[in-house]
Amino acid sequence: KAGVTQTPRYLIKTRGQQVTLSCSPISGHRSVSWYQQTPGQGLQFLFEYFSETQRNKGNFPGRFSGRQFSNSRSEMNVSTLELGDSALYLCASSWGDRGNSNGYTFGSGTRLTVV
Amino acid sequence: DQQVKQNSPSLSVQEGRISILNCDYTNSMFDYFLWYKKYPAEGPTFLISISSIKDKNEDGRFTVFLNKSAKHLSLHIVPSQPGDSAVYFCAASASQGNLIFGKGTKLSVKP
Repeated sequence: KAGVTQTPRYLIKTRGQQVTLSCSPISGHRSVSWYQQTPGQGLQFLFEYFSETQRNKGNFPGRFSGRQFSNSRSEMNVSTLELGDSALYLCASSWGDRGNSNGYTFGSGTRLTVV
Repeated sequence: DQQVKQNSPSLSVQEGRISILNCDYTNSMFDYFLWYKKYPAEGPTFLISISSIKDKNEDGRFTVFLNKSAKHLSLHIVPSQPGDSAVYFCAASASQGNLIFGKGTKLSVKP
């Protein structure tokens, strides 16, 4: 079966611009979570969507937002990009009822570089 | 305030020996713990998990130990192989909560 697909794989943007990243979860998975990975900071939780509703949110500024569609595909948006937003953005999908019991399945990530 | 801590950024082990990766947590509400493995330019892959009702879970060469009183868990890899060289992340969650990850430990297994 197809895994978690994230597009695009790489992205270069300039400060002040906005960006939209996409994630297609594994078929049947209803939960999509987004993480930011930067060197030395591990994976920091951004938000989780379950059945089109934001279920959990991490400690990121309001410039970071997301949404989930009825087919469980999710997008995250970052507005007014800053240099510090350069990171690997990872999407993970799970069944969602007790997603952690089966482990999340991660995509390969989108590498965002802000210049 | 880090709720999940991996205090060793790196670990180097000889092939065939045991690798022990450690993880500490502070939130007593965590009831599920997982280990993920990550290669460069790839997303993390689920390795093994343990529920708080257990103190040990084994899967092939991988064993996770949980010490609830010490709020500590460890991942043992025996025997270590060069292909195990990767960054290992410890993660924890409370019921219906999101996964909280540590900063990772880079394991190098030398032939």
